[in-house]
Amino acid sequence: DAGVIQSPRHEVTEMGQEVTLRCKPISGHDYLFWYRQTMMRGLELLIYFNNNVPIDDSGMPEDRFSAKMPNASFSTLKIQPSEPRDSAVYFCASSPRTSGSTDTQYFGPGTRLTVL
Amino acid sequence: LAKTTQPISMDSYEGQEVNITCSHNNIATNDYITWYQQFPSQGPRFIIQGYKTKVTNEVASLFIPADRKSSTLSLPRVSLSDTAVYYCLVGDGAGGYNKLIFGAGTRLAVHP
Repeated sequence: DAGVIQSPRHEVTEMGQEVTLRCKPISGHDYLFWYRQTMMRGLELLIYFNNNVPIDDSGMPEDRFSAKMPNASFSTLKIQPSEPRDSAVYFCASSPRTSGSTDTQYFGPGTRLTVL
Repeated sequence: LAKTTQPISMDSYEGQEVNITCSHNNIATNDYITWYQQFPSQGPRFIIQGYKTKVTNEVASLFIPADRKSSTLSLPRVSLSDTAVYYCLVGDGAGGYNKLIFGAGTRLAVHP
């Protein structure tokens, strides 16, 4: 398996522009997560999906952020309009549904976003 | 969700054993203890998970005392490539999905 795939790996944009980050989870995984990592705030969970349905979006910082999962093999995180403080590394992770233990999350390589 | 406390940073030398202790005083009955490793410019990677006593895999060992209020990740004979940030997490294994909360982690630097 190729693992979790994210694109683009790097994105540089100007303030006010729309940014779309993409994620392909591992096939067969029921859960998908979006995280943001910065030096100041560490690794933060933004939102997660179960079987394509958003379950908890309490970590989404503002209405400028939105996430969708139209099918089991694809998800997007959109920022519109983007601001310099959105600069961070955004990780996507997926997890299988197992019982009896904390499910392992498999992280993608991340998208490094820079908003000028 | 139980909060975890671990050292901000540690230094070691190649070939030494490294023990990173994590405190989780408010751990719940159903919680498991999980450790992740993150290299620069990569996403976190699962290392090991346990509920009680000792767990060992090809990468590390995890020691959990009877009261489960702390745990220790043990890395035997570290090498330079073990330089990374190590996160201790506690989550609910009762069947509902746990929301992993990553703290600041422990930044391990292995020196030649």
